[in-house]
Amino acid sequence: NAGVTQTPKFRILKIGQSMTLQCTQDMNHNYMYWYRQDPGMGLKLIYYSVGAGITDKGEVPNGYNVSRSTTEDFPLRLELAAPSQTSVYFCASSYDGGSSSYEQYFGPGTRLTVT
Amino acid sequence: AQTVTQSQPEMSVQEAETVTLSCTYDTSENNYYLFWYKQPPSRQMILVIRQEAYKQQNATENRFSVNFQKAAKSFSLKISDSQLGDTAMYFCAFMRPRTDKLIFGTGTRLQVFP
Repeated sequence: NAGVTQTPKFRILKIGQSMTLQCTQDMNHNYMYWYRQDPGMGLKLIYYSVGAGITDKGEVPNGYNVSRSTTEDFPLRLELAAPSQTSVYFCASSYDGGSSSYEQYFGPGTRLTVT
Repeated sequence: AQTVTQSQPEMSVQEAETVTLSCTYDTSENNYYLFWYKQPPSRQMILVIRQEAYKQQNATENRFSVNFQKAAKSFSLKISDSQLGDTAMYFCAFMRPRTDKLIFGTGTRLQVFP
């Protein structure tokens, strides 16, 4: 049981380039999330999904896109990378079982630098 | 909108001693969830403890306990018998039910000294 996996672990992008951050979970969780963590700050929600085919914006969605074609995968797309997108990106998932603990399980993060 | 405030950017404690990390939040909701997450140097986010607002009893997990004061909107974390492995960033987080969206504070960096 791998939990939540993210690839790549590190990436350096040039301004204007695009890339996709991959996220996969094997816990059959309905809910998935993307957060970013800027230096010295807490995590902020970029996008989330409550199930395959359903996505919605979080606090800081500008410059990003997501899709959710399967329960397991929730990729995050950066178009036209900017220095302001330099951050650590975390994917998370949770079970929406109502009486569940609402615990979110996090991946190990992707450190992205845009220069 | 909900906000979470952690007013202590850094704390330090000697091994085996007790330390308390502070967290306050702002919400007009009556039912919600509160969490403490630990982030060691590995960057992995690890759930330490959680509290449901409708429960009056403070949550406890081994050496970790909370002091939940609903009227004061305060949710502090007490770490007893501190260990070197407790060195990490600690984040307080708020969640409104049926949204499953976490709102994080800015974190407290805890250093445990031998």
